[in-house]
Amino acid sequence: QLQLQQSGPGLVQPSETLSLTCTVSGGSVSSTTYNWAWIRQSPGKGLEWIGSLHNSGTTYYNPSLKSRVTISVDTSKNQFSLKVGSLTAADTALYYCASIRVTGTSIGWIPYEYWGQGALVAVSS
Amino acid sequence: DIQMTQSPSTLSASVGDRVTITCRASQSISSWLAWYQQKPGRAPKLLIYKVSSLESGVSSRFSGSGSGTEFTLTISSLQPEDFATYYCQQYNTYPWTFGQGTKVEIK
Repeated sequence: QLQLQQSGPGLVQPSETLSLTCTVSGGSVSSTTYNWAWIRQSPGKGLEWIGSLHNSGTTYYNPSLKSRVTISVDTSKNQFSLKVGSLTAADTALYYCASIRVTGTSIGWIPYEYWGQGALVAVSS
Repeated sequence: DIQMTQSPSTLSASVGDRVTITCRASQSISSWLAWYQQKPGRAPKLLIYKVSSLESGVSSRFSGSGSGTEFTLTISSLQPEDFATYYCQQYNTYPWTFGQGTKVEIK
């Protein structure tokens, strides 16, 4: 069973870059069984998909954030990371990392089976 | 983007009630629909994927149905631990999108 542990700052200055990390245990971040995702939740926008990193190495980003977002993987630390640049107050949210299981069967993918504990990020000076 | 619309936004029910939540997609998502339960201060929990497949460890009182653009989540007999907010989510097309949520409250 996977466990996802998030880390990162809670308060970030406007215009700066947010960096969050999700450390995976109980499995390998480079496994072909999983893709990885970042999701955020705010009172105004609800649950919002930020982007996904496929086990092929390909990344997909929400067009609403695409120019500001980077998702990457560090296999040596068994973790994947999120960077969001040019922050504004609208980026204040609870940020989650999550796993997507690739079954390789007619079931297809199993989305967001495991979640990190969440990281509350406030953008404020 | 595919818009996911849930109804109702809030539902008041009693323990033992049968509860149904509806989720409509703005275009066909085939069977790529999941349901989540979220309690305050916790991450969402996957209940159902691919419309009707029950996630491991989830009670069989939860069931899902539908296809194309209209889907339902049914709780056959509401239990005290089921009072929470429920979200549908499509994973047919990026960007994956969620419904706005349905809060199930105690009547």
